Amino acid sequence: KQEVTQIPAALSVPEGENLVLNCSFTDSAIYNLQWFRQDPGKGLTSLLLIQSSQREQTSGRLNASLDKSSGRSTLYIAASQPGDSATYLCAASMEYGNKLVFGAGTILRVKS
Amino acid sequence: NAGVMQNPRHLVRRRGQEARLRCSPMKGHSHVYWYRQLPEEGLKFMVYLQKENIIDESGMPKERFSAEFPKEGPSILRIQQVVRGDSAAYFCASSPSREGTQYFGPGTRLLVL
Repeated sequence: KQEVTQIPAALSVPEGENLVLNCSFTDSAIYNLQWFRQDPGKGLTSLLLIQSSQREQTSGRLNASLDKSSGRSTLYIAASQPGDSATYLCAASMEYGNKLVFGAGTILRVKS
Repeated sequence: NAGVMQNPRHLVRRRGQEARLRCSPMKGHSHVYWYRQLPEEGLKFMVYLQKENIIDESGMPKERFSAEFPKEGPSILRIQQVVRGDSAAYFCASSPSREGTQYFGPGTRLLVL
């Protein structure tokens, strides 16, 4: 049974700092891994999707990496801004695109 | 292209009533997933449907819960005889293909009194 863990559970940083969020999964036979952002009381916004054959994906100030052999993914946020404050979720898809198994999330607060 | 739409956004029910949650996927998407987020817990998969078919319902409670995705119209998650423990945020996601990115709706927040 796949389990997804995210550390830290919460993170508070000053504006402008670069930061890394970590995600680990127990079963390396994933099909893809997605990073999402969730704002309080809102839905999920997909940030990046990494296929199992890929090592990383980039979008603007965001870079996500995937290391299947070690069961890890990281989300790197460059030059953080107060608007980046949200809960960040990673989710692994185990089979040929199917249900997502979510981590508990990292609550990020960027202070101005 | 409008995003995934869910309604109602908020739903209040008394114990024993029925709750019907609707999800309209993005245009061109025929794959729908339902997830539940209980208070202080992470999102958990409930069911995966493709037009008129339930593909995977391994996350659905065995009783009182059902889902459908008819040929025409939105996907429906139905909860019969609701109990307080059903209070949660229910999210729907859609995808154009089985392996594609899942796009999430804003969720329906169900409160059972």
